[in-house]
Amino acid sequence: EPEVTQTPSHQVTQMGQEVILRCVPISNHLYFYWYRQILGQKVEFLVSFYNNEISEKSEIFDDQFSVERPDGSNFTLKIRSTKLEDSAMYFCASRVSTDTQYFGPGTRLTVL
Amino acid sequence: QQQVKQSPQSLIVQKGGISIINCAYENTAFDYFPWYQQFPGKGPALLIAIRPDVSEKKEGRFTISFNKSAKQFSLHIMDSQPGDSATYFCATGKSTFGDGTTLTVKP
Repeated sequence: EPEVTQTPSHQVTQMGQEVILRCVPISNHLYFYWYRQILGQKVEFLVSFYNNEISEKSEIFDDQFSVERPDGSNFTLKIRSTKLEDSAMYFCASRVSTDTQYFGPGTRLTVL
Repeated sequence: QQQVKQSPQSLIVQKGGISIINCAYENTAFDYFPWYQQFPGKGPALLIAIRPDVSEKKEGRFTISFNKSAKQFSLHIMDSQPGDSATYFCATGKSTFGDGTTLTVKP
């Protein structure tokens, strides 16, 4: 069964460093999302992406964040200058045209 | 910011019992109301979802009840099993999630 994959599973970085989180959505999907979940808290929407552009973003998704679909398979989230409060699980999700989203296993980002 | 209020925060049910989790929302613009199940260390997985043109949807042991006028919807898990022990999130659309309910089903 097709699934969303994410790499790395765990990323440790120093405060102020740039990180890129990678996702490979399910191949025929058209809509892509990034969410984050601080440990023990709720899932928070960051951004949605369709037709090679951002369709919606939250207040969390400020100028430090960017997304890109550099080729036909990858979908990336870049954090330019990480802060301690960026430490969280980051989930990628994708869907076709129906509502059903498929989430990846997540990348745990630890900012020291 | 539009909120989704989910309750209870945690729930303990005996095996075979009924688990009920409730959500109340504010924004009536949404037309998609999903419930997600999340196991520790995993991403959320869609469990069941409903659109506001129906009042109830059932899939196996899982039922969503939707009350449009009250802006509330709930998840009912019938015959709860220890394998159902997980965190459950309601959501409105794709962008607003509840705080989550940790369900423990005791054998």
